Amino acid sequence: EDKVVQSPLSLVVHEGDTVTLNCSYEVTNFRSLLWYKQEKKAPTFLFMLTSSGIEKKSGRLSSILDKKELFSILNITATQTGDSAVYLCAVAPNTGNQFYFGTGTSLTVIP
Amino acid sequence: NAGVTQTPKFQVLKTGQSMTLQCAQDMNHNSMYWYRQDPGMGLRLIYYSASEGTTDKGEVPNGYNVSRLNKREFSLRLESAAPSQTSVYFCASSALAEPAVEQYFGPGTRLTVT
Repeated sequence: EDKVVQSPLSLVVHEGDTVTLNCSYEVTNFRSLLWYKQEKKAPTFLFMLTSSGIEKKSGRLSSILDKKELFSILNITATQTGDSAVYLCAVAPNTGNQFYFGTGTSLTVIP
Repeated sequence: NAGVTQTPKFQVLKTGQSMTLQCAQDMNHNSMYWYRQDPGMGLRLIYYSASEGTTDKGEVPNGYNVSRLNKREFSLRLESAAPSQTSVYFCASSALAEPAVEQYFGPGTRLTVT
């Protein structure tokens, strides 16, 4: 059965800290992995990764995929209160149109 | 561009009542999706439509029906609501009928069934 597991389930950090969020997956015929940010409303897209070892970066956020070990990490450096959100990981297989979502990591950044 | 819109934003139903959730996108996307999100369960796919005229079941289709009315609109119907269908429902769309393309989400509908 295809599944996506995220850890930790929740995290509380102080502003300025660096955090690492984890996503591991067991999906037949992997095609891509996507990260989303959800702040009490609709998820918004952050990154899509298809190739192993290539880092995607956007400001203080970065992500990398390891297709051999079947996981991805999302790093956030110098966290700000505006980073508080649930971060969702989704994996798309090569066949069909389904995305498999993890349950998310809830990040709280306190001033 | 409004992106993906959903109506209503909130709804309370009694057990056994029926309702239709509406979704529309103005990005000329081929694929559209309906998800439900429950605490501790993540987003689970109910139904999707890879292109106009086609629909397929997702992970949790029981108790729901869908209609892809045209390329823009994809509705989700609950024929006989049950308390287990209390959830937040998200509609999403993506440009191509491929899983590798990012999805854009609507603002969600919070449904409570009593």
